[in-house]
Amino acid sequence: EVQVVESGGGLVQPGGSLRLSCAASGFTFSSHWMHWVRQAPGKGLVWVSRINSDGSSTTYADSVKGRFTISRDNARNTLYLQLIGLRAEDTAVYYCVRGSSYYDSTGFYLGEVFDYWGQGTLVTVSS
Amino acid sequence: QSVLTQPPSASGTPGQRVTISCSGGSSNIGSNTVHWYHQLPGTAPKLFIYSNDQRPSGVPDRFSGSKSGTSASLAISGLQSEDEADYYCAAWDDSLSAYVFGPGTKVTVL
Repeated sequence: EVQVVESGGGLVQPGGSLRLSCAASGFTFSSHWMHWVRQAPGKGLVWVSRINSDGSSTTYADSVKGRFTISRDNARNTLYLQLIGLRAEDTAVYYCVRGSSYYDSTGFYLGEVFDYWGQGTLVTVSS
Repeated sequence: QSVLTQPPSASGTPGQRVTISCSGGSSNIGSNTVHWYHQLPGTAPKLFIYSNDQRPSGVPDRFSGSKSGTSASLAISGLQSEDEADYYCAAWDDSLSAYVFGPGTKVTVL
């Protein structure tokens, strides 16, 4: 059974730091791109960051660029998100999400889909 | 302000057909496939439609997706009480180099 389980959330003061972890199981972790998506209380989904399967390429939303760092340890089947310089607007549930590529009938790459989501870990930034 | 636009709410009585729209632009829906995610209160989102109109296993065939130009839609036919949830559209945006989500549509069964 595919599972992704987040941890590391909590209450932190503005300007503080946190490291989120995501333990993956039930699939070949090193074959999948992985993502973080967040959801502020009562709000919609916002994509935060992604990392390719071997960790050599990362992408970030403009709102977190320079403050958040995504990384992975394929030997430990674990995804990370380092958060620094936290702001009140970073308060949200952070979801770890598996990405899966899909193709058309001729084998042409069509894109990536978020097919498994963790239950999320809540980060609260407040003094 | 979301890059993708969705109505905040949609509703219908049991058995009715409900359609949710998702409008974007040439850099997202216009040039990439659209996915739909379903979220029950207090739970994680779940993939419901991918690549515009494909249903993952386990998703009832009452749900269907379509795309035309820079817009997409999700249709729920034979509406059931268990369909009450928030529905989000999403796509990759080539200009932003980021995945973008719509603001979500809350479906209510009257």
